Amino acid sequence: DIQMTQSPSLLSASVGDRVTINCKASQNINKYLNWYQQKLGEAPKLLIYNTNNLQTGIPSRFSGSGSGTDYTLTISSLQPEDFGTYFCFQHNSWLTFGSGTKLEIK
Amino acid sequence: QVTLKESGPGILQPSQTLSLTCSFSGFSLSTYGMCVGWIRQSSGKGLEWLANIWWNDDKYYNPSLKNRLTISKDTSNNQAFLKITNMDTADTATYYCARTRITTVVTDWFAYWGQGTLVTVSS
Repeated sequence: DIQMTQSPSLLSASVGDRVTINCKASQNINKYLNWYQQKLGEAPKLLIYNTNNLQTGIPSRFSGSGSGTDYTLTISSLQPEDFGTYFCFQHNSWLTFGSGTKLEIK
Repeated sequence: QVTLKESGPGILQPSQTLSLTCSFSGFSLSTYGMCVGWIRQSSGKGLEWLANIWWNDDKYYNPSLKNRLTISKDTSNNQAFLKITNMDTADTATYYCARTRITTVVTDWFAYWGQGTLVTVSS
């Protein structure tokens, strides 16, 4: 099994901040890494697929990067609607989600 | 417009079998490249992929739960199903179905999700 470790698990930030969330795989996942956003009481929403491709309709302040085992989600200027929990997800070998990063208002 | 909606019993007792239905619209599971998967979310274990069924009836299961899972589909009625046997309190979770599609360019894993259905296992 490929394990996905996210950090931090909790992130406090202010509107306008630049935010980064990290995801580390237990082995090389060849950039087969997606990011999802989940708001309280809602289903997850696909933001980025295959490391750095923005899903249709997702604002350009979201971006992704990484390779091998280490990946990052960046929000360039945090907006009020961006608060929630973010999950990484690998689809290189079977399917595994990260444990999540809760992004809250500072 | 792609929509999915899960339905289930809400509550069941330990050792019972869980039967879930995913009713969807906006796509067909008989179309090349389409897939419906099941994912659950509990407070203790986060998001956990359970199973996928593809347009060609290929089925894949989470190895850690494989012996307890059965996924199936009814393409005529735009539904997918998941059965989980021998339910335990640890299986209490919100269960989601989600759509995936393969194209020549990319696979959009779980780009569309249902709202989820809460299943509580309790005696």
